[in-house]
Amino acid sequence: GIQVEQSPPDLILQEGANSTLRCNFSDSVNNLQWFHQNPWGQLINLFYIPSGTKQNGRLSATTVATERYSLLYISSSQTTDSGVYFCAVMYSGGGADGLTFGKGTHLIIQP
Amino acid sequence: DSGVTQTPKHLITATGQRVTLRCSPRSGDLSVYWYQQSLDQGLQFLIQYYNGEERAKGNILERFSAQQFPDLHSELNLSSLELGDSALYFCASSDLRAEQFFGPGTRLTVL
Repeated sequence: GIQVEQSPPDLILQEGANSTLRCNFSDSVNNLQWFHQNPWGQLINLFYIPSGTKQNGRLSATTVATERYSLLYISSSQTTDSGVYFCAVMYSGGGADGLTFGKGTHLIIQP
Repeated sequence: DSGVTQTPKHLITATGQRVTLRCSPRSGDLSVYWYQQSLDQGLQFLIQYYNGEERAKGNILERFSAQQFPDLHSELNLSSLELGDSALYFCASSDLRAEQFFGPGTRLTVL
């Protein structure tokens, strides 16, 4: 099946810093989503971005489908940005429509 | 709030028992997905239903089953529970092959 690798696995930053999270995937996709899992376990949708670039406030994301990677940018980090960030993809070759998740990036923003 | 609801929030039971988790999708969504999040396996896709019919299976054990009812709510049945089944179980919904939105999850503890 399709493989999803996220880097870095862990990231500790000071409040106000910027960060870039990476997601590499092994095959063509027709769905790519970024999620933030907060300390209460909720999975919050950040971006639906199978290709192109999107921005939402301090967050932006870019997916280059032909090169099989996506990037999530977080600017001016706040302590509430702490948590685990997941990239998830759906293989475009048909079959199961379930998302395949990476192992996540655990982000800690210190005050 | 994603619009997807799940009950119960928490469930504590004993090995060998059977439990049922319930999910109501967002209004208008015909696809329902079930996912399991555990410490050792991460987030993995279990099964998908579309408009009442099973559409795809992921890593779902034979002891687990699901169904989607005419009002589109779905239930995940877990039987002969083992310690290793302790996990966070998520339901998600979407239009077919579109962005998936996740419920708050049911945290299952098997003692």
